[in-house]
Amino acid sequence: LMTQSPATLSVSPGERATLSCRASQSVTSNLAWYQQKPGQAPRLLIYGASTRASDVPVRFSGSGSGTEFTLTISSLQSEDFAVYYCQQYNNWPTFGQGTRLEIK
Amino acid sequence: EVHLVESGGALGQPGGSLRLSCAASGFAFSNYDMGWVRRAPGKGLEWLAVMSRSGGNTYYADSMRGRITVSRDNSKSTLFLEVNGLRAEDTAIYHCARLPSSLDYGDYSLYFDDWGQGTSVTVSS
Repeated sequence: LMTQSPATLSVSPGERATLSCRASQSVTSNLAWYQQKPGQAPRLLIYGASTRASDVPVRFSGSGSGTEFTLTISSLQSEDFAVYYCQQYNNWPTFGQGTRLEIK
Repeated sequence: EVHLVESGGALGQPGGSLRLSCAASGFAFSNYDMGWVRRAPGKGLEWLAVMSRSGGNTYYADSMRGRITVSRDNSKSTLFLEVNGLRAEDTAIYHCARLPSSLDYGDYSLYFDDWGQGTSVTVSS
């Protein structure tokens, strides 16, 4: 089971956002993060817990291993307000319920 | 540029069947494992199935095994998902997605590096 917190995060543009994802058992570093905007396909941001996918801005960073993971967006841009999902692939894929990042 | 376009979503009857398609372009489809993921209204993403590049290895989520069948036609760069015994809880947006894994060779890196926008399935009488 993947648990994301908070469910909703309100942050002002230019500020830092920190999103959390907890696994019920160790997934080592087999953890991915996705961004999804309304009506759009999900977009891979991070895999291997900390490796940025192609064309992902450097303001996105992932950290953690085992059961605790964090996605940090260092300076929020307007296009970053979206829903973010974590997904483990240490076993058959399971996703967290998502964190909605909204403009404060 | 990778392009995945799902189709076939519709209003389905409880107990009925639907067949979804995913047309791929912009990459060598036959060189990639592919999968299906759905998102029900008000819920998060749910993995449904993955199929190896050859089509020789297919894995289904326990919650869906027995009711779904994934297939692919590499000559047409198309992935398919058949859902049988439709239930109200199958109402969702269904996405196809590409994986960087190599299931035929034991690489189970089952994350999704490109996705389609999805096709909508509604199950209601």
